Amino acid sequence: GAVVSQHPSWVICKSGTSVKIECRSLDFQATTMFWYRQFPKQSLMLMATSNEGSKATYEQGVEKDKFLINHASLTLSTLTVTSAHPEDSSFYICSARPGTSFQETQYFGPGTRLLVL
Amino acid sequence: AQKITQTQPGMFVQEKEAVTLDCTYDTSDQSYGLFWYKQPSSGEMIFLIYQGSYDEQNATEGRYSLNFQKARKSANLVISASQLGDSAMYFCAILSARQLTFGSGTQLTVLP
Repeated sequence: GAVVSQHPSWVICKSGTSVKIECRSLDFQATTMFWYRQFPKQSLMLMATSNEGSKATYEQGVEKDKFLINHASLTLSTLTVTSAHPEDSSFYICSARPGTSFQETQYFGPGTRLLVL
Repeated sequence: AQKITQTQPGMFVQEKEAVTLDCTYDTSDQSYGLFWYKQPSSGEMIFLIYQGSYDEQNATEGRYSLNFQKARKSANLVISASQLGDSAMYFCAILSARQLTFGSGTQLTVLP
């Protein structure tokens, strides 16, 4: 099956620092990757759609200058939380889609727990 | 805009029994996909089953089946022969032109 990895699995950082999260598709190429955020006991909320070789598409209310997304290759997308603050503490999950059809199944990474002190 | 409604915040089922998790959706799109994901306490989202809007037969994957009633806009997940390892959060999601929209989830607990 399609496997997606994320690194790190959890991170604790000080307020004001930047944190980079990597999302990799291990056994398939993904032209499109997605970044979600999930608060405790809540559903996943799409933050942005990451397209290989082009700019990410951000959902309404998501600051693109704060959440930098780079999709440099067909197997890697990165999310950088810049100048993190305690309210950015959350569970960040990426997903990747093997095909180009929008109805292709998205496969999710294991998630990254971010705690900003 | 798409919307997914899961009205059961929590469900309990006895081990080896079947359980149905409800999901209704709203979309103006003619072509869409419906997904169910399982999220254990570890946080990983595990794909369970997919139903396309034009699929006439209900999808099945092992112990999982999707009761798709297009006219009622419902896509309930049926888990047969529940196991203790099925205890998790279950999310229904709809995929249309651009994005995957998730419901609020149902926490399933399987009792021994």
